[in-house]
Amino acid sequence: DVKVTQSSRYLVKRTGEKVFLECVQDMDHENMFWYRQDPGLGLRLIYFSYDVKMKEKGDIPEGYSVSREKKERFSLILESASTNQTSMYLCASSLGGVAATNEKLFFGSGTQLSVL
Amino acid sequence: SQQGEEDPQALSIQEGENATMNCSYKTSINNLQWYRQNSGRGLVHLILIRSNEREKHSGRLRVTLDTSKKSSSLLITASRAADTASYFCATAGSQGNLIFGKGTKLSVKP
Repeated sequence: DVKVTQSSRYLVKRTGEKVFLECVQDMDHENMFWYRQDPGLGLRLIYFSYDVKMKEKGDIPEGYSVSREKKERFSLILESASTNQTSMYLCASSLGGVAATNEKLFFGSGTQLSVL
Repeated sequence: SQQGEEDPQALSIQEGENATMNCSYKTSINNLQWYRQNSGRGLVHLILIRSNEREKHSGRLRVTLDTSKKSSSLLITASRAADTASYFCATAGSQGNLIFGKGTKLSVKP
């Protein structure tokens, strides 16, 4: 089975800190995604990547950046964390080669980030 | 850019009963997917139904799709306490990626 691993389950950071959320998948998937999930708002797409060194903005990219230097790893970066970035962050991957919407996503367990 | 909306927002049933959740979407689709999320965890893919399919089964799950009404339903038969979770439908967004609804929170009481 595909495994998508997020580096931390819980993270507490201070306002203004630079925060790195790491995601690694072990099945040679082309596509990787970062979502955030908030009560009442559902999942919202932050950034995605269809290939190494490639990135595309999702619906809510402001305040975030990403890095994909290796195929298996997709990092989400909060340059200067703010309290409104307190959320559950979910990483996902899919096989690739076709439109992402024709494939199922494999999700990590999530990182609950609290910014104080 | 919400594409799918689940209904109801919350559903509480007894073990052994059937649970039905609905999803409505706005634009034409190639397929629709359903996912489950246990509390505080990531989402798990349940089933994908293509636009030319009307019904699909997987174990105790039955999914229907009505493209004329732009709606889908997920039926869980003979529910168990372990089915307690949130259920999401997902369809293609404007960038060709999956867009998720806000989910239906299902509670199955033993």
